[in-house]
Amino acid sequence: GEDVEQSLFLSVREGDSSVINCTYTDSSSTYLYWYKQEPGAGLQLLTYIFSNMDMKQDQRLTVLLNKKDKHLSLRIADTQTGDSAIYFCAERKAAGGYQKVTFGIGTKLQVIP
Amino acid sequence: GAVVSQHPSWVICKSGTSVKIECRSLDFQATTMFWYRQFPKQSLMLMATSNEGSKATYEQGVEKDKFLINHASLTLSTLTVTSAHPEDSSFYICSASSSSYNEQFFGPGTRLTVL
Repeated sequence: GEDVEQSLFLSVREGDSSVINCTYTDSSSTYLYWYKQEPGAGLQLLTYIFSNMDMKQDQRLTVLLNKKDKHLSLRIADTQTGDSAIYFCAERKAAGGYQKVTFGIGTKLQVIP
Repeated sequence: GAVVSQHPSWVICKSGTSVKIECRSLDFQATTMFWYRQFPKQSLMLMATSNEGSKATYEQGVEKDKFLINHASLTLSTLTVTSAHPEDSSFYICSASSSSYNEQFFGPGTRLTVL
């Protein structure tokens, strides 16, 4: 995941907003994703944004993309204890005839009741 | 969204044995399947990409003779870890995509423990 960087840990109180940040290096990325992984489980796609967009909102989730700075963020409004998980940022780009997805190391979100 | 399953969900084996993991797309035809490995507290690392009916493309550093991938049909890909050793213990996750989708759909993962 060296092309995609994230902070390792974030702790917030229940009801507050969480903001998870991610930076990437490849300007040719076509899509950027946020995935959620609960302990011992696979990945769940939360949301994605096309590279020519700068914002996408989906209920409690807001994704902001600053393409110039190659910075992506995920804001979770009214964070709940059920939001506690690891959140992976990922970028998708063309590589050798197929679409390759590269993941960040994941940010562990801890929600304090 | 489309559903991808993996079997088994967990496996424990002795060192030196081979283990096969199946990845199935249940409600769509997956022209491309991906295999990832995730070590504890680390990110997913792409191991290989396979297109139906052709040889898999392995990422740098992944031994193709050790991790055999077969994508024989549009709904099934298998990963065989040959002569598994304790250092192969990991969480293996597959994903599938097709030309109809702009994303990869992930399976629930298989936890492999080699004793």
